Amino acid sequence: AQSVTQLGSHVSVSEGALVLLRCNYSSSVPPYLFWYVQYPNQGLQLLLKYTTGATLVKGINGFEAEFKKSETSFHLTKPSAHMSDAAEYFCAVTGGSYIPTFGRGTSLIVHP
Amino acid sequence: DAMVIQNPRYQVTQFGKPVTLSCSQTLNHNVMYWYQQKSSQAPKLLFHYYDKDFNNEADTPDNFQSRRPNTSFCFLDIRSPGLGDAAMYLCATSSTGGVYNEQFFGPGTRLTVL
Repeated sequence: AQSVTQLGSHVSVSEGALVLLRCNYSSSVPPYLFWYVQYPNQGLQLLLKYTTGATLVKGINGFEAEFKKSETSFHLTKPSAHMSDAAEYFCAVTGGSYIPTFGRGTSLIVHP
Repeated sequence: DAMVIQNPRYQVTQFGKPVTLSCSQTLNHNVMYWYQQKSSQAPKLLFHYYDKDFNNEADTPDNFQSRRPNTSFCFLDIRSPGLGDAAMYLCATSSTGGVYNEQFFGPGTRLTVL
């Protein structure tokens, strides 16, 4: 069984500020973890993924995430927010199944 | 570039009038998925094909059907759309021949029901 919890349905930051989107997971087997971004009226696009190996993974658009097994977390960060980062972000987990389980999503709002 | 294509991007239909949404892929992935996504919600899996095998989610209404005539194409048929079926419909693919099973999404079809 697997599940994902994304804390905060909305996160608001100022342009240039740190972005932190939280994701906690549960999985009965070693997980594969993903972050997807969705812009308005578009499909989901893979930002980054953790599979095995290095626990700090870097993705597109300056985002990165760290897999912390002890905390069952995979939080997404970006040092400096840009207006173009405003979007919906989904955390997902697969483990033992090829079908991912998605979190409920976090809407990132970036203020000028 | 290998990709997932959905047509049309926007579809308007009338209450009760059947509609078909299409998805094609050039990735040669063996799994294809259909998701329904309503505003500010996560995608909800309707069904998926693992190769030719159809897998329906338990809570997918009978009003929704799907066809996969070959590896590249998959269709979503809504037999009698209701107002509650207005949503974004997302097609995705993945390969179980790989290790990580990441999904590749199409741009979606936004369905409006009048």
